[in-house]
Amino acid sequence: KQEVTQIPAALSVPEGENLVLNCSFTDSAIYNLQWFRQDPGKGLTSLLLIQSSQREQTSGRLNASLDKSSGRSTLYIAASQPGDSATYLCAVNDQAGTALIFGKGTTLSVSS
Amino acid sequence: ETGVTQTPRHLVMGMTNKKSLKCEQHLGHNAMYWYKQSAKKPLELMFVYSLEERVENNSVPSRFSPECPNSSHLFLHLHTLQPEDSALYLCASSVRPTGNDEQFFGPGTRLTVL
Repeated sequence: KQEVTQIPAALSVPEGENLVLNCSFTDSAIYNLQWFRQDPGKGLTSLLLIQSSQREQTSGRLNASLDKSSGRSTLYIAASQPGDSATYLCAVNDQAGTALIFGKGTTLSVSS
Repeated sequence: ETGVTQTPRHLVMGMTNKKSLKCEQHLGHNAMYWYKQSAKKPLELMFVYSLEERVENNSVPSRFSPECPNSSHLFLHLHTLQPEDSALYLCASSVRPTGNDEQFFGPGTRLTVL
């Protein structure tokens, strides 16, 4: 059964720092991996989607990498801003099913 | 805006009430999903519909009853819920239910069961 783990569970950084969020998954048979952002009490906003054949995707200050063989992905946020404060969720599209399998998320707080 | 809307955004109900959650997608997708997000737990899949037919039911109690009248609308009918059913209920859609397509999420309904 696929399991997704995100480390750390929470992270506090000062504005301007570069940071890395980690995601690991137990079964490398995936179609793709998605990173989402969730603001308190709100729905999910898709940040980046990496297909299983890709190594990384970039959008603005965000860069996500995927190492399928080792079951790992990282989300790199450059020059963090207070507006980046949110919970970041990693999810894999598992070849065994039709649904996304989510991690518990990393809650990021960026102070000004 | 993701093209997926949900109503109501907040709902408080007693254990004996009957209520329904509504989801609508404006993306022309053929697959729709219900997910549940409880406190301190990962999001978990409840139901998957493809072209109005249920293709997956993730061992959800019968007090949750989904309905998909067409490919743009999805409902979750609730009856005799328990306080532990309080959670954020999220709807999503994708082009196909194959697992290879990106899923787009609505804003969610925050449900509180008293």
